[in-house]
Amino acid sequence: EPEVTQTPSHQVTQMGQEVILRCVPISNHLYFYWYRQILGQKVEFLVSFYNNEISEKSEIFDDQFSVERPDGSNFTLKIRSTKLEDSAMYFCASSDPGELAGYNEQFFGPGTRLTVL
Amino acid sequence: AQSVTQPDIHITVSEGASLELRCNYSYGATPYLFWYVQSPGQGLQLLLKYFSGDTLVQGIKGFEAEFKRSQSSFNLRKPSVHWSDAAEYFCAVAYNDMRFGAGTRLTVKP
Repeated sequence: EPEVTQTPSHQVTQMGQEVILRCVPISNHLYFYWYRQILGQKVEFLVSFYNNEISEKSEIFDDQFSVERPDGSNFTLKIRSTKLEDSAMYFCASSDPGELAGYNEQFFGPGTRLTVL
Repeated sequence: AQSVTQPDIHITVSEGASLELRCNYSYGATPYLFWYVQSPGQGLQLLLKYFSGDTLVQGIKGFEAEFKRSQSSFNLRKPSVHWSDAAEYFCAVAYNDMRFGAGTRLTVKP
């Protein structure tokens, strides 16, 4: 069964460093998403991406964040200068357009735990 | 403001007992509604979803949910809980983007 994969499973970085979180969505999916979950808190939407551009983003997704689909398989989230409060689990998800573009089932990856020291 | 609320932070039920997890939403129109389950250290798995039509939807693992427009609710139910159902459950709504509730942690007693 196809699945979303994410690497690395755990990333430790120093405050102020840049990190890139990587995701490989399900191959025939066209919508891609990033979410984060701070420990003990709810899952928060960051950004959605379709047709090589951001379609929606939340207030969390500020200028420190960027997303990219550098090739036909990867979808990345870059945090330019990490802060302590960026420590969280980051989930990637993908969906196919189906009849209700973007709101078919989103398939989630296992997450990358980011720890900023 | 658009929001989704799960009033119960933590619920404990005995194995074999029935379960109902509450979810209320506040949106200008009827959004698309989802329930996800997250086991410890795992990602999110979709249990069921509601877009339109029959307001009682069946999901995986024996779960069902009922959409009640008048109450702006989408409560998740299961008639008989199994120990393996212990997990965190998230209600989510999608309108322009997807927003999750704070989650309800389910503990199952033997």
